Amino acid sequence: EVQLLESGGGLVQPGGSLRLSCAASGFSFSSHAMTWVRQAPGKGLEWVSGISSSGGSINYADSVKGRFTISRDSSKNTLYLQLDSLRVEDTAVYYCVKCLGYQYYYMDVWGKGTTVTVSS
Amino acid sequence: EIVLTQSPATLSLSPGERATLSCRASQSVSNSLAWYQQKPGQAPRLLISDASNRATGIPARFSGSGSGTDFTLTISSLEPEDFGIYYCQQRSSWPLLTFGGGTKVEIK
Repeated sequence: EVQLLESGGGLVQPGGSLRLSCAASGFSFSSHAMTWVRQAPGKGLEWVSGISSSGGSINYADSVKGRFTISRDSSKNTLYLQLDSLRVEDTAVYYCVKCLGYQYYYMDVWGKGTTVTVSS
Repeated sequence: EIVLTQSPATLSLSPGERATLSCRASQSVSNSLAWYQQKPGQAPRLLISDASNRATGIPARFSGSGSGTDFTLTISSLEPEDFGIYYCQQRSSWPLLTFGGGTKVEIK
């Protein structure tokens, strides 16, 4: 069974940092692109960042570019998202998502999410 | 940025009825569109990719159609478990991806 388990969320002050992790199991992690998608309270879905299966292709939404960093460790089957210079508007549930193929086009398996709250 | 506009915002239907959800793109996305379902308190799940390809395990009552700028998700006969929020997502502007604002399907 494919499983994605996020961790690392929490309450942080504006300007602070967090590192989200996503432990993947049940599939060949190194063969699939991965993404992070977030959902602010009561709002819709927002794509945040994507990384190809090899890690050679990395991109970010304009809203987080320069502040967030995505990475992956295939030896640990783990996806990461480093969140720096956090803003109140970054408050959301952050989902780790497996993609259908080697590139992040469509998202076929979602984790349960980890909550990030940015508040003073 | 390609903007996806979903309509209606809310669809009130009874079990057994047919649901027709629309997603319109601000410019052509060819067939590079997916649909997701999200139930309250749960993560989304993929229903349809490339406009009309059902994902693994998705019942045949779900179907997708369209190309260019106009897309439709049809649920032929609503089951109680189908109520929730549906989102479309395009990959035509890859490496940037965008979602629509969602359509809530609620019980009438």
